Amino acid sequence: EAGVTQFPSHSVIEKGQTVTLRCDPISGHDNLYWYRRVMGKEIKFLLHFVKESKQDESGMPNNRFLAERTGGTYSTLKVQPAELEDSGVYFCASTEDSGANVLTFGAGSRLTVL
Amino acid sequence: AQSVTQLGSHVSVSEGALVLLRCNYSSSVPPYLFWYVQYPNQGLQLLLKYTSAATLVKGINGFEAEFKKSETSFHLTKPSAHMSDAAEYFCAVSLYNFNKFYFGSGTKLNVKP
Repeated sequence: EAGVTQFPSHSVIEKGQTVTLRCDPISGHDNLYWYRRVMGKEIKFLLHFVKESKQDESGMPNNRFLAERTGGTYSTLKVQPAELEDSGVYFCASTEDSGANVLTFGAGSRLTVL
Repeated sequence: AQSVTQLGSHVSVSEGALVLLRCNYSSSVPPYLFWYVQYPNQGLQLLLKYTSAATLVKGINGFEAEFKKSETSFHLTKPSAHMSDAAEYFCAVSLYNFNKFYFGSGTKLNVKP
């Protein structure tokens, strides 16, 4: 079974540019989550999709961040325009059932904003 | 509000020595507690979890953790460190619906030969 795949693994952009991160969850997993780790700090929740619907987006930092999951399969997280403080590692995770207590994480996408 | 504190961002032990990684939590409701490990260039992998059953939880690779409600702790231990245990370890707490996890800031474990 393929795991959670994230692309790109590392992106370096300049302040003001746009970046789109992609996550392919495990096939059949309706629940998809985005988390972020900034500068060696704690990993923080960003949002939760159930299929194509946003179940909880309380962790999204501001309106420069846009997450989508068209068709309920893969998800994208766009940052536009990127700021220096957006640098960090963005993790995606998925699980089959809501309330399942085990998340399968991807390896993360490292974003560096210069 | 829920939060997790991991004491020590870096821990170094000798191969064969005891591993002790500390985690304290705060939660407004009975928590579910987890330890995840991240090896270089890999995703977070579940080591073990406490979900209100036995307070001493055994996980993979010889790790275990004990839930102590009175101390609000969930420390991770392994009797004898192996070189392959070198990684970053994250403690996390989740509420009853498991739809949001609160992670600590991580502890990097270095194992010296």
